[in-house]
Amino acid sequence: RKEVEQDPGPFNVPEGATVAFNCTYSNSASQSFFWYRQDCRKEPKLLMSVYSSGNEDGRFTAQLNRASQYISLLIRDSKLSDSATYLCVVTQGTSYGKLTFGQGTILTVHP
Amino acid sequence: DTAVSQTPKYLVTQMGNDKSIKCEQNLGHDTMYWYKQDSKKFLKIMFSYNNKELIINETVPNRFSPKSPDKAHLNLHINSLELGDSAVYFCASSQTDLNYGYTFGSGTRLTVV
Repeated sequence: RKEVEQDPGPFNVPEGATVAFNCTYSNSASQSFFWYRQDCRKEPKLLMSVYSSGNEDGRFTAQLNRASQYISLLIRDSKLSDSATYLCVVTQGTSYGKLTFGQGTILTVHP
Repeated sequence: DTAVSQTPKYLVTQMGNDKSIKCEQNLGHDTMYWYKQDSKKFLKIMFSYNNKELIINETVPNRFSPKSPDKAHLNLHINSLELGDSAVYFCASSQTDLNYGYTFGSGTRLTVV
């Protein structure tokens, strides 16, 4: 079983749609959680951290369910510029450990 | 002013050659990493250094040798390049506290022919 699993998609949605991505992780000792965004042929960039209580940043909402080892990302009012690959990321420790990346979910927002 | 810079951006070379990729960060971070992203887009860690000391060494052929002359630099040397080494190699850095995530360089696209 992969350490971090995501549905690779692709998700094709119209502008203005709401779209949700899910992710599961296998190591119950995981401590920190993130969503990264990677544009085509670019480096991954931190989109947001994910906290146990859930957190929101503008149109983006992230949720964490430790009991089910499940992370989600909700994007409301999708923009064309949201088209990218969204990477679910977990880490086992909180200091100089490795980040483990999911394969990524491809999102394409069309006019 | 680029936070994490790696050179070269593109590298095309023949099998059997030896090549190096350089990485520098000006963020004052203590930890630096090398990740490999293969054709299926999986990002996998190769090495991690904290204050010039190797702390993570995943299962990587010993043809790959990282070197960290100081905490702002982490270079990757690859001997006897093989076709399967073709990938994008990303350098990254982080604070010791991983709650802030990583900052990545723009990547080096290596093609072995």
